[in-house]
Amino acid sequence: DAKTTQPPSMDCAEGRAANLPCNHSTISGNEYVYWYRQIHSQGPQYIIHGLKNNETNEMASLIITEDRKSSTLILPHATLRDTAVYYCIVRLTSGTYKYIFGTGTRLKVLA
Amino acid sequence: DAGITQSPRHKVTETGTPVTLRCHQTENHRYMYWYRQDPGHGLRLIHYSYGVKDTDKGEVSDGYSVSRSKTEDFLLTLESATSSQTSVYFCAISAGDHQPQHFGDGTRLSIL
Repeated sequence: DAKTTQPPSMDCAEGRAANLPCNHSTISGNEYVYWYRQIHSQGPQYIIHGLKNNETNEMASLIITEDRKSSTLILPHATLRDTAVYYCIVRLTSGTYKYIFGTGTRLKVLA
Repeated sequence: DAGITQSPRHKVTETGTPVTLRCHQTENHRYMYWYRQDPGHGLRLIHYSYGVKDTDKGEVSDGYSVSRSKTEDFLLTLESATSSQTSVYFCAISAGDHQPQHFGDGTRLSIL
């Protein structure tokens, strides 16, 4: 599985968009990008995933660069409840079942 | 939220005792996973299951065993607990091998 690199921490003003970057320069063509977050000591919460195209759901948008070497998770209107650790993970589309969690980005949304 | 229940939620026990953690799902998902989370290490996969009676090792499987006798339950056993196994344990499930994993609320295990 490709390794990911994320900034250790970020701040964002409440109501503004939070843009969380992830570098996965060794990603291969059949590896998906997944984003999760973990609030306090709760279990990780799935946010979104994608392979090549940009994706959007009710929680966030995922922008994947054309060369797939990096991606950005966008929370369009951050709230205090979005304060969490955000993990970017890449894994094969099939044949392996595990995620490799890095240390993630600690996002703090400021009032 | 996915129907995942972990039990117990908290446990304190002594070194050398056996411990079994249970993960129960109501989603009828094929895949189930056990992770542990420790400061500075993030989440690490212990064991996973891809069907009833089908299990395999993850990256930190030493000292742990698992069993899955029915779709809804995945048990993690520490045969003889050690202090290094003090951790927060998370169970996860997924419907398919590239489908997102959904996590339970965790079990906080302390081994004294």
